[in-house]
Amino acid sequence: DIQMTQSPSSLSASVGDRVTITCRASQGISNYLAWYQQKPGKVPKLLIYAASTLQSGVPSRFSGSGSGTDFTLTISSLQPEDVATYYCQKYNSAPPELTFGGGTKVEIK
Amino acid sequence: QLQLQESGPGLVKPSETLSLTCTVSGGSISSSSYYWGWIRQPPGKGLEWIGSIYYSGSTYYNPSLKSRVTISVDTSKNQFSLKLSSVTAADTAVYYCARLTPVVELNENQGVIITTPFGWFDPWGQGTLVTVSS
Repeated sequence: DIQMTQSPSSLSASVGDRVTITCRASQGISNYLAWYQQKPGKVPKLLIYAASTLQSGVPSRFSGSGSGTDFTLTISSLQPEDVATYYCQKYNSAPPELTFGGGTKVEIK
Repeated sequence: QLQLQESGPGLVKPSETLSLTCTVSGGSISSSSYYWGWIRQPPGKGLEWIGSIYYSGSTYYNPSLKSRVTISVDTSKNQFSLKLSSVTAADTAVYYCARLTPVVELNENQGVIITTPFGWFDPWGQGTLVTVSS
């Protein structure tokens, strides 16, 4: 099984800071990676798919990059409304192994 | 706009079977190309994929839960359901249903083809908390 490791598990940054979250796959997964944002008490929301494609309606301060085993989610200028836990998710062909990373909790300093 | 809504008991006794239904509105569960899935999240913890189903009844399960999980579909009601047997306190979680988006690519000869039907989850239902307790 391919494992997904996110780092850091939590971070605290100031409004306006650039924030980077990393997701590492134990084996290469091409660009088969999605990112979700889950605000406290809310449903996970799709931010990015195919490693770098921004979902419609998602602010442009969010971006994704990477391929193979190493991926990053970047918030270019952290806003108060970005306080949330962020998850990566790998996908693949049959049989599916739809695995989520452990999550990164983002807080405002 | 496609919407999904989970329903079912919020309290299940240990060793019994958890049963939930996801009702899809604003679109047909029989739409080709889409699998539908269940994901769960224990309180304060991360997300775990449980399994997925196609309208034809084809299913795939997380190997860690496969022995206890059954997912079924009722196209006449535009619903799909989850059954998890022999539950313990470790199965206490918010259970979400969601649609799986396929990965597609443009082929110069064949047009748009599906690379894999198992992509990302979008949209999601609101989730329902199921507590396992006597």
